[in-house]
Amino acid sequence: DGGITQSPKYLFRKEGQNVTLSCEQNLNHDAMYWYRQDPGQGLRLIYYSQIVNDFQKGDIAEGYSVSREKKESFPLTVTSAQKNPTAFYLCASRIPGDGYTFGSGTRLTVV
Amino acid sequence: AQSVTQPDIHITVSEGASLELRCNYSYGATPYLFWYVQSPGQGLQLLLKYFSGDTLVQGIKGFEAEFKRSQSSFNLRKPSVHWSDAAEYFCAVGAVGNTGKLIFGQGTTLQVKP
Repeated sequence: DGGITQSPKYLFRKEGQNVTLSCEQNLNHDAMYWYRQDPGQGLRLIYYSQIVNDFQKGDIAEGYSVSREKKESFPLTVTSAQKNPTAFYLCASRIPGDGYTFGSGTRLTVV
Repeated sequence: AQSVTQPDIHITVSEGASLELRCNYSYGATPYLFWYVQSPGQGLQLLLKYFSGDTLVQGIKGFEAEFKRSQSSFNLRKPSVHWSDAAEYFCAVGAVGNTGKLIFGQGTTLQVKP
């Protein structure tokens, strides 16, 4: 079955560490997105990519970085510059004119 | 400014009762409108979407929503709620365009009483 796979499901980060969240899709979708979810705040857009080797900042890109070297993959790195990284991270993809397909999320906790 | 407002943070209904979740949006362009559902610790699942045409749209799991342009609303309804409908519901709006960026509401948590 086609879908989006996010890994790991749970991730723990020490102060000053960079960590990378994986997002892989086999839906052949061009566009991919990273959202951050905090309780009571809905989803906020971090980065998005409409095509391989191209990506744009979303509303809360500071402290994050991405790459899009392959159509199937859109990893998100949470850098040490992100001062409050504890959140639930959701990856999504879509084809033009349709809604998102979401992955099952990664919960990141600072320890 | 572009925004989505879900006025109700929490709603509790009895099993078998009808449900209406409210969504109001502010968006300059012709909007795409969506409702998603999220179970705890999971991703979001698309319930239904409105792009154009008939303003009453049917979705999965017996849900429907009505687009009212004059009221900038896209309320979600279900005639008879089941215990398995307990979850968080998100309304989202996007542009008729290529970027696909969506703006999400803050969500409404639905609790179902037996």
